Amino acid sequence: DADVTQTPRNRITKTGKRIMLECSQTKGHDRMYWYRQDPGLGLRLIYYSFDVKDINKGEISDGYSVSRQAQAKFSLSLESAIPNQTALYFCATREGDEQYFGPGTRLTVT
Amino acid sequence: GIQVEQSPPDLILQEGANSTLRCNFSDSVNNLQWFHQNPWGQLINLFYIPSGTKQNGRLSATTVATERYSLLYISSSQTTDSGVYFCAVGPSSNFNKFYFGSGTKLNVKP
Repeated sequence: DADVTQTPRNRITKTGKRIMLECSQTKGHDRMYWYRQDPGLGLRLIYYSFDVKDINKGEISDGYSVSRQAQAKFSLSLESAIPNQTALYFCATREGDEQYFGPGTRLTVT
Repeated sequence: GIQVEQSPPDLILQEGANSTLRCNFSDSVNNLQWFHQNPWGQLINLFYIPSGTKQNGRLSATTVATERYSLLYISSSQTTDSGVYFCAVGPSSNFNKFYFGSGTKLNVKP
């Protein structure tokens, strides 16, 4: 399995603040994804990337931006956080047809 | 996007019981994965199963792609099986995306 790490694991921030969530992987997978999970719901795709030059919007990209700094690093930014962005955020990599998920970042916007 | 429905939404079992979880999807898929989200939020890959049947210990899964459903079987359930089980599908029309169901929340009581 891919070794996918996310930092921070938990974060509380205030409305209007800029925040960055970081994801790193050590297995050399080209494809990386950002999802959010709201209570009682499945995951929804925010952005995905095939390589450092290829970034694509997912279903719910409004209010988010991403940066693929290297093959191994994919960051998600909230330029001006709002309370309804409170959620559990997951990074994933993909090898072939299977996705592998990081441990998640629990973000609370007050 | 493709619609993914999981049933039942909630399930309570006595330890040792068997169960069947269902995932229905609204369009043809070339990718289907089952995940277990443990009580700490971590997503664990169970099966990659776009068609056919697989078994891994007490768990098995069957996907009938032509009829647009997949089943996850848990036999001799244990308290460690508790958590939420998600089905995620990749539509044939878009290789790059996954769509998640809302999950089945399983509580196995000792």
